[in-house]
Amino acid sequence: AQSVTQLDSHVSVSEGTPVLLRCNYSSSYSPSLFWYVQHPNKGLQLLLKYTSAATLVKGINGFEAEFKKSETSFHLTKPSAHMSDAAEYFCVVSDLTGNQFYFGTGTSLTVIP
Amino acid sequence: DTGVSQDPRHKITKRGQNVTFRCDPISEHNRLYWYRQTLGQGPEFLTYFQNEAQLEKSRLLSDRFSAERPKGSFSTLEIQRTEQGDSAMYLCASSPHLAKGTDTQYFGPGTRLTVL
Repeated sequence: AQSVTQLDSHVSVSEGTPVLLRCNYSSSYSPSLFWYVQHPNKGLQLLLKYTSAATLVKGINGFEAEFKKSETSFHLTKPSAHMSDAAEYFCVVSDLTGNQFYFGTGTSLTVIP
Repeated sequence: DTGVSQDPRHKITKRGQNVTFRCDPISEHNRLYWYRQTLGQGPEFLTYFQNEAQLEKSRLLSDRFSAERPKGSFSTLEIQRTEQGDSAMYLCASSPHLAKGTDTQYFGPGTRLTVL
């Protein structure tokens, strides 16, 4: 079965410092992986996705993630946090058919001015 | 706005009542998904449609839940005899079905259900 584990439920960073949100996946095949962001009272928005092409994936708003098969990880990073980055972030894995998607429990990012 | 829309945004009901939610996907998206999200958790898959056909249902979807997509466009999710445990955010997403590869899902703002 497929699953993702988000290792931190809360992360706080100062504005202008790097962001690291950690995600480990479990899958018996080469997975498709996603990061979504959820701002308060807004719908989930896709940040980026990995589908077995380049292992370093660039997304919107300066975010990127690197697929590391040896570590079964797909961590989300950003060089410099902005106040508008404060939100809930979800790591997601799809099943082999691409029909079902499994969300992690989320990481709440706080950006301190 | 051509995004996914959901109606209502909020619903408060008494235990035992029936409720129905509507989702309008992005036009030309032939896949539509329903998820449930409780506080502090990630969304959990409930069911999905390809056009009007309901192709998969989660074990989370008890007999009190039913979803339809009669014309392959909008979808409704009905909960009968609501229970307090049904209180959650119900999310809808749509995607274009690609012949190859994994689809990107586009989410609506959700319907927040509170069962008193």
